[in-house]
Amino acid sequence: DAGVTQSPTHLIKTRGQQVTLRCSPKSGHDTVSWYQQALGQGPQFIFQYYEEEERQRGNFPDRFSGHQFPNYSSELNVNALLLGDSALYLCASTKGTSRTNEQFFGPGTRLTVL
Amino acid sequence: AQSVTQLDSQVPVFEEAPVELRCNYSSSVSVYLFWYVQYPNQGLQLLLKYLSGSTLVKGINGFEAEFNKSQTSFHLRKPSVHISDTAEYFCAAHQAGTALIFGKGTTLSVSS
Repeated sequence: DAGVTQSPTHLIKTRGQQVTLRCSPKSGHDTVSWYQQALGQGPQFIFQYYEEEERQRGNFPDRFSGHQFPNYSSELNVNALLLGDSALYLCASTKGTSRTNEQFFGPGTRLTVL
Repeated sequence: AQSVTQLDSQVPVFEEAPVELRCNYSSSVSVYLFWYVQYPNQGLQLLLKYLSGSTLVKGINGFEAEFNKSQTSFHLRKPSVHISDTAEYFCAAHQAGTALIFGKGTTLSVSS
């Protein structure tokens, strides 16, 4: 049983460009959350998708957008990249929307903005 | 104010010694509390969680944590650490909905 997978593993972009990160949830999971982890910091919640809709959003600008597909996989898009967007982007999946359900994290995508 | 505060950014310890990683939470978060571990170049792995019931929670790899409502703390402990426990540890809670809010992390360095 594959866990949460993310692609690509690493990515290098320049300021102003756009990037798309991808996440496949653990089998049986239908809810996907995205987190940004800057160097030396804890992860920060970006947004969560359930039933193909953004269900909850953290304090991130509109440059950060996402999508969830019918197979529950998800994309994170970031437009007009800034140097400060350099971080590890983590995807987490869970089944349903109960707080008691464990969130499983993927290995992350390391984004470097030059 | 930080909703989840990890009081130590780095904790160096010798192998086989006990360790405690401290975490305090504020009233703005739920009392569903978690400890995650992150090994180098990897994602987060759940060590243990407190949802309700017994205030002493046992997790994987010999770790345990105690929920203390009066002190708003959820400290992580292990009686005897191994070199392989060297990693970053994060305390987390639900702030709104199912979004997790994390502390800044504690680097546990175990040496021989």
